[in-house]
Amino acid sequence: EPEVTQTPSHQVTQMGQEVILRCVPISNHLYFYWYRQILGQKVEFLVSFYNNEISEKSEIFDDQFSVERPDGSNFTLKIRSTKLEDSAMYFCASQLDRGNSPLHFGNGTRLTVT
Amino acid sequence: SQKIEQNSEALNIQEGKTATLTCNYTNYSPAYLQWYRQDPGRGPVFLLLIRENEKEKRKERLKVTFDTTLKQSLFHITASQPADSATYLCALERDFNKFYFGSGTKLNVKP
Repeated sequence: EPEVTQTPSHQVTQMGQEVILRCVPISNHLYFYWYRQILGQKVEFLVSFYNNEISEKSEIFDDQFSVERPDGSNFTLKIRSTKLEDSAMYFCASQLDRGNSPLHFGNGTRLTVT
Repeated sequence: SQKIEQNSEALNIQEGKTATLTCNYTNYSPAYLQWYRQDPGRGPVFLLLIRENEKEKRKERLKVTFDTTLKQSLFHITASQPADSATYLCALERDFNKFYFGSGTKLNVKP
């Protein structure tokens, strides 16, 4: 069964550094998402992406964050200048179509900012 | 603002019993609601979707109900097994492609 893959599984970075988290969504899916989950807390929506542009974003997704689908297969989340509070699990998800189809999640990248 | 509430206390049950998890929401009328399972250190995995015009949905040992008047969904696992131990999340779509998740309820099934 096709799956969403994320790399790396764990990223350690120093405060102020830029990180890029990578995702390969399921190939025929049209909608793409990034979520984050701080340890012990809920899965929080960051951004949704469709037709090569952001369709929705949350208050968390400020100017430090950006997303890109550079080559039609990869979907990336960039954090320009990481802060300690960016430490979390970041999940990528893809969705076949709008409406009532499920989200398919990757197994996440654990980002640790020191 | 919209809230999605799930019981934050862990649910501990004996193997073979039925587990019932609750999802309540406020300030919104979703067209459908989804349930996911999350294991430690892993991404959520989709289980079931129920539409607003459906009262009940079943899949093997899983059953979901959706009461739009009460603004509540119940998720049942019958004949529970230790392998069912996980955190279960409900999710609603608010606005275009903006899915919100509850904080989840951790289920522990004891042998």
